[in-house]
Amino acid sequence: QSVLTQPPSVSGAPGQRVTISCTGSSSNIGAGYDVHWYQQVPGTAPKVLIYRNTNRPSGVPDRFSGSKSGTSASLAITGLQAEDAADYYCQSYDSSLSGSVFGGGTKLTVL
Amino acid sequence: QLQLQESGSGLVKPSETLSLTCTVSGGSISSSSYYWGWIRQPPGKGLEWIGSIYFSGSTYYNPSLKSRVTMSVDTSKNQFSLKLSSVTAADTAIYYCARLYSGYNWGSSYHYYYMDVWGKGTTVTVSS
Repeated sequence: QSVLTQPPSVSGAPGQRVTISCTGSSSNIGAGYDVHWYQQVPGTAPKVLIYRNTNRPSGVPDRFSGSKSGTSASLAITGLQAEDAADYYCQSYDSSLSGSVFGGGTKLTVL
Repeated sequence: QLQLQESGSGLVKPSETLSLTCTVSGGSISSSSYYWGWIRQPPGKGLEWIGSIYFSGSTYYNPSLKSRVTMSVDTSKNQFSLKLSSVTAADTAIYYCARLYSGYNWGSSYHYYYMDVWGKGTTVTVSS
């Protein structure tokens, strides 16, 4: 059971918009700690997609965006492409655990 | 550009100690803005943070693994290492090393960090 809760799977057709939620609590996201998002294509290492809630590293398309409100954060992907099929993970800090925590991951299927 | 490469034993017997090393190339492990960490991923499952270390030797461990984890850094070799003792089958996973960018969030008064560069990962199997 992950401290940060993500839906196990989401799907969308090419060109559509999908969102992936990351729900935490008052000891992590709700406490104001930043949320970061990672993309993991099967068989490869994760790659940072969004850092500090809303920021994209250079090279990440602007189709990817992040937001945060209260005890939750979201990753939005617009103009869905086949290459976006991957697992997505959120990460934050938890004061009760005094360490970094990940969400359970969400598998994105592009129909 | 910066690259990280994991190395170490791919097969470990139950109750023994898992040992991995991460070699950093294309940059210095002594950079002040970065921590260095280990993350693992059991087969078919999600990511788990194991711990982080600064070039000075300061460490932060996942509380659930703290009693079994030791991390160290060798700045002369540009390497950092992980030891996990008393392993069981539940420790079978892909182990990744990563660079952690660290900054200070003034609004929430805490040091944040995220994994901005990852190694390719190494598979460790615990089996007799």
